Amino acid sequence: DTGVSQDPRHKITKRGQNVTFRCDPISEHNRLYWYRQTLGQGPEFLTYFQNEAQLEKSRLLSDRFSAERPKGSFSTLEIQRTEQGDSAMYLCASSLGTARDTDTQYFGPGTRLTVL
Amino acid sequence: SQKIEQNSEALNIQEGKTATLTCNYTNYSPAYLQWYRQDPGRGPVFLLLIRENEKEKRKERLKVTFDTTLKQSLFHITASQPADSATYLCALGGNNRLAFGKGNQVVVIP
Repeated sequence: DTGVSQDPRHKITKRGQNVTFRCDPISEHNRLYWYRQTLGQGPEFLTYFQNEAQLEKSRLLSDRFSAERPKGSFSTLEIQRTEQGDSAMYLCASSLGTARDTDTQYFGPGTRLTVL
Repeated sequence: SQKIEQNSEALNIQEGKTATLTCNYTNYSPAYLQWYRQDPGRGPVFLLLIRENEKEKRKERLKVTFDTTLKQSLFHITASQPADSATYLCALGGNNRLAFGKGNQVVVIP
């Protein structure tokens, strides 16, 4: 399977714990995105990378959230001191990043986070 | 404020009929618009992209229209099948991100 993969698929944690998610994009894709989706809502943009550079962060991304893409390949999203409001599906997407205006994003299966 | 509106009520449709979904937006100037399909517990799957200077796009049984004056896109599934049952998301593209609507559920009844 050469699509976007995410690990783990499900994570249950207690409030206050730190969690880290991993995303492996499609291999030739330069751009990588993180979104968050809660029940009944569409995905909300969190941040994106062009190769290893993090170019934009949403105001939704509080100081407890940090994302990295150290070698321009896989990415990690860490949430520190989790809160119940962090419970959501965290989606990763990747794109070629060559078309300025029409860059199709391909999504992974998501990581479902539940904070107790 | 910016809004992307999709019908919150599920669309129940008989197999073989055409399902039509609407996406309206305000205070956006998207360079393009995309439609995705999402099944429960899964990530969105890309279906179609239409640019701001295009009126209509087709792919197999799917058709999308884009009216930048009305700020509206219509998404059609012709000859619908039970396997088409899912939530369909409208997403506005530009500025290196996608802005999604809440999605519209479609249920195709055999």
